[in-house]
Amino acid sequence: RKEVEQDPGPFNVPEGATVAFNCTYSNSASQSFFWYRQDCRKEPKLLMSVYSSGNEDGRFTAQLNRASQYISLLIRDSKLSDSATYLCVVNSKTSTSGTYKYIFGTGTRLKVLA
Amino acid sequence: EPEVTQTPSHQVTQMGQEVILRCVPISNHLYFYWYRQILGQKVEFLVSFYNNEISEKSEIFDDQFSVERPDGSNFTLKIRSTKLEDSAMYFCASSDWDRGGEKLFFGSGTQLSVL
Repeated sequence: RKEVEQDPGPFNVPEGATVAFNCTYSNSASQSFFWYRQDCRKEPKLLMSVYSSGNEDGRFTAQLNRASQYISLLIRDSKLSDSATYLCVVNSKTSTSGTYKYIFGTGTRLKVLA
Repeated sequence: EPEVTQTPSHQVTQMGQEVILRCVPISNHLYFYWYRQILGQKVEFLVSFYNNEISEKSEIFDDQFSVERPDGSNFTLKIRSTKLEDSAMYFCASSDWDRGGEKLFFGSGTQLSVL
């Protein structure tokens, strides 16, 4: 099983639609969870952290289910500018040095259509 | 807003040559990272660095690679004897902590092309 797994998409949705992305992770001891956004050939940019209680930032809602090792991102009222790749990122303690390491999923491509 | 800066933005080199990629992390951050992304593939961890030493490295980060913090601000990745498969975007990152835990901030990357 991959450490962090995402559906690569692409998800093609009309403007104004609601779209949801899912992500699963394999390490049950993972500590922190994030969604990053990456535009074509640009650096990943932090979109939001994901907390156990769920959190919302404007049109974006992130949820974490530790029991199922599952993270989700919901985007409401999609805009053309939301078109990007959304990366699920998990911060896990390594077994070797005991330090933390960020593991990236392959990303889910979103294209919002006019 | 403080940011991670990387130079150069593009680097073209011949196979077998050495390259040094440079990064200036955000000034009050303590943890530094190098990641790479081959075109069309996922972001891959290379190495993490804390307190002037490597804290973790991936299987990709073999003897061909080295990192250094030569002064209080720069953080470099050296690739000796580059190979064609080293062609990728290399991202430097530094991290900060808040109630959400540690958060990574990335530089805009160096696109390395090995010919």
